[in-house]
Amino acid sequence: GAGVSQSPSNKVTEKGKDVELRCDPISGHTALYWYRQRLGQGLEFLIYFQGNSAPDKSGLPSDRFSAERTGESVSTLTIQRTQQEDSAVYLCASSRSRGANEKLFFGSGTQLSVL
Amino acid sequence: GENVGLHLPTLSVQEGDNSIINCAYSNSASDYFIWYKQESGKGPQFIIDIRSNMDKRQGQRVTVLLNKTVKHLSLQIAATQPGDSAVYFCAENRDAGNMLTFGGGTRLMVKP
Repeated sequence: GAGVSQSPSNKVTEKGKDVELRCDPISGHTALYWYRQRLGQGLEFLIYFQGNSAPDKSGLPSDRFSAERTGESVSTLTIQRTQQEDSAVYLCASSRSRGANEKLFFGSGTQLSVL
Repeated sequence: GENVGLHLPTLSVQEGDNSIINCAYSNSASDYFIWYKQESGKGPQFIIDIRSNMDKRQGQRVTVLLNKTVKHLSLQIAATQPGDSAVYFCAENRDAGNMLTFGGGTRLMVKP
């Protein structure tokens, strides 16, 4: 596609349920990032994938959060046993590589609301 | 801890005026800075970037200024238009791995 695509655009779930968020990066982009954005705040780095290398999970806030990516394609972010504090917009971004100064292209995000 | 932050959470300007959005950073090791624009319901969009070996960089209606002495970054928008209304984030790249650290954002409101 022309840009980074995320689905669903909105997700409402009950506390304790698991959710899965999907990201389709720009074709040919080897690097993929997940960020979390709480209401009125900046972007919080979660996890990073580069090709077939081991992902950088240093930003994941707890073991309830996990992400997968197969090769250089789709990525899924899974949140288990969701809590109300998980409510946020989850943004995915991709770039051509992990080189210095490579621009990130963002999707529109998934708005997650945990009731 | 070290962070990227913004001085003004909200900036209101008259259409046609120039806008200046400021950002402070504390990590002197950062060598690459980016401004992103985020409109409501959308992901951040790249506006302009600057490397630490530069003081100024110009784009179309936008200029980024970098003052390494006081660790200050600013985004200037000339002849601000209603379409410029958005939240603006500065971000720094602290290493070669594109691990962007974002500031809290400034909301720009353009009055007609």
